[in-house]
Parts: sequence; C-alpha cells; structure tokens
Amino acid sequence: GQQVMQIPQYQHVQEGEDFTTYCNSSTTLSNIQWYKQRPGGHPVFLIQLVKSGEVKKQKRLTFQFGEAKKNSSLHITATQTTDVGTYFCAGSGNTPLVFGKGTRLSVIA
Amino acid sequence: DTEVTQTPKHLVMGMTNKKSLKCEQHMGHRAMYWYKQKAKKPPELMFVYSYEKLSINESVPSRFSPECPNSSHLFLHLHTLQPEDSALYLCASSQTGVSYQPQHFGDGTRLSIL
Repeated sequence: GQQVMQIPQYQHVQEGEDFTTYCNSSTTLSNIQWYKQRPGGHPVFLIQLVKSGEVKKQKRLTFQFGEAKKNSSLHITATQTTDVGTYFCAGSGNTPLVFGKGTRLSVIA
Repeated sequence: DTEVTQTPKHLVMGMTNKKSLKCEQHMGHRAMYWYKQKAKKPPELMFVYSYEKLSINESVPSRFSPECPNSSHLFLHLHTLQPEDSALYLCASSQTGVSYQPQHFGDGTRLSIL
C-alpha cells in the first residue's frame, strides 16, 4: 500500500536556527497535508498542497510540493520555542490520508 | 480550542469492561474518523464514516465497534480490550469524505487498559 516516509525522526535546534523536515511517497500523491501536534495535544492542520511544484508560505513556515508530486518539505526560518512539537506530513493518492512518522522538533532557548 | 469535542478525556478500564467513546462536531462536516495513536507514533486510521455510512474499516478487531447515528455524532464502543489497546483515540471530521479535505481533530481520549 501507499507509504509516506518522513525524515528526520528528531531534530534539536537552537532558538533562531532554521529547521526542515522532508516527506517522500512511494507513489504519486493527489495532495499533501501538514499537521502540527504539540506535546500532549492533538494534530492541527497547517496547510494543504495540491499542485505540482507548489510553494506556500505562512509567516516563518514554507511548504513545498515536488514537481513529481512524490515529495514535500516544511521549512521553518528562525525557530522559536513556540515551534516545539511533532510535524506530520500526510498524503493521499487513491487511498485515505496516510501519515508520515513525523519529525519531533525541540527548540533550545 | 477545538471544534471537535471528545469525551471522556481519560478512561481507565479493565479488560472485561464495556465502555464507549463519544465525539461531537457542529461544523456541518459529513465525514468523521477514528484514529488510534500510540506514544511517539503517527495517528493510525481505524474507521471512516461518510454521510453516516461506514466507508472504511482498516481491519480493526471486532472488539472496537463504531457507530454514527447522525452527521454530528460518532461513537466508538469498546468491549473486551487488550492491554495493547491502551493509546490516545482521536476523532476527526472533514467537510466530506474526500481524502484531500483537511481534517479537524479533537483532543482525544487517553485510554488505559488494566
């Protein structure tokens, strides 16, 4: 079945450093979504990408969808302590949404 | 604040007990989902209801029984659970059951099986 691989599993950064998490699918995706889950919280929808090569920005967050619609990335510029949490990509093709394993971000003040 | 409400927030039960988890949304969404999430793992899809009909059952053991009496409410009935069923159970909803719709998650029910 469809698989969505996400790396790295963990990332520890100093406050102010940049952070990137990457997502790869074994099959072409119709769309990819990104969620953030704070410690002890629930996943919260951040954004959805649908078009090949699409780039979207939300303040310090930049999301990209690859040309082949098989990979995606989330980049955070100048991390803050409020960015702490696990970031999940979730993709779908002809299947229900499949979540990547997530990248757990720690920010050291 | 979440617009998907789950009760109870915490539940401790023995293996022979019967209990139910409840989920409620009033956003007019027509698709509702149950996920299971173990610590440090991604959510795993269990069931999907679309327009009150069960559309996806991801080979979930029969000791978990979902019910969707109307588009605003979703239940997960639990019976004779195993210790490995201890997890966070998340409910989510989306406008329709189409996979590209963003999902809105509730806070979850943290379930512990003794």
